[in-house]
Amino acid sequence: NAGVTQTPKFQVLKTGQSMTLQCAQDMNHEYMSWYRQDPGMGLRLIHYSVGAGITDQGEVPNGYNVSRSTTEDFPLRLLSAAPSQTSVYFCASSYTTGSGELFFGEGSRLTVL
Amino acid sequence: EDQVTQSPEALRLQEGESSSLNCSYTVSGLRGLFWYRQDPGKGPEFLFTLYSAGEEKEKERLKATLTKKESFLHITAPKPEDSATYLCAVQADWTTDSWGKLQFGAGTQVVVTP
Repeated sequence: NAGVTQTPKFQVLKTGQSMTLQCAQDMNHEYMSWYRQDPGMGLRLIHYSVGAGITDQGEVPNGYNVSRSTTEDFPLRLLSAAPSQTSVYFCASSYTTGSGELFFGEGSRLTVL
Repeated sequence: EDQVTQSPEALRLQEGESSSLNCSYTVSGLRGLFWYRQDPGKGPEFLFTLYSAGEEKEKERLKATLTKKESFLHITAPKPEDSATYLCAVQADWTTDSWGKLQFGAGTQVVVTP
């Protein structure tokens, strides 16, 4: 039972490069989301999706793009990486929108030089 | 604006030494308060949901309680395997713009030594 799978686990980028963090879930969850976690701060919501074809912005969406073409996949794109985007990124899903019981992936640690 | 503050930031306990973690919150209308456990290098793992003041939930050595302004996570007779960061999150109800979204605190890092 894979749950929520994120790739890659580690990535180093140069300022201005673009990349995509992948997220897949095999639980047929309706809701998927991306968070970033920085030292001393709580998890902050970047973007979320309440179903295939539907996405919306969270608390810190600038510099990130998402799409949801299938129920299973929810990739996060960094358009032009900046050092301020150095962080640990978590993908999370839940069975329904509004459920506070999120299932998290293991995280992707991104460093932007 | 919804706010969640956890204290202390870090807690070091001897095995068997019980203690409590605090999560204070401000939210226009509370739909639910959630506790998660996060191990180093891993994603958070759901522990409890609390919906109304006076509610309590228990799981092994952990007990979560809720009042109108704060929640406590009590750790009774902790073991080294209870070492983790404990995160608290609140969810506002349908009357607010932030309905459905979780607002997380920064967490309390707990270390239990043998």
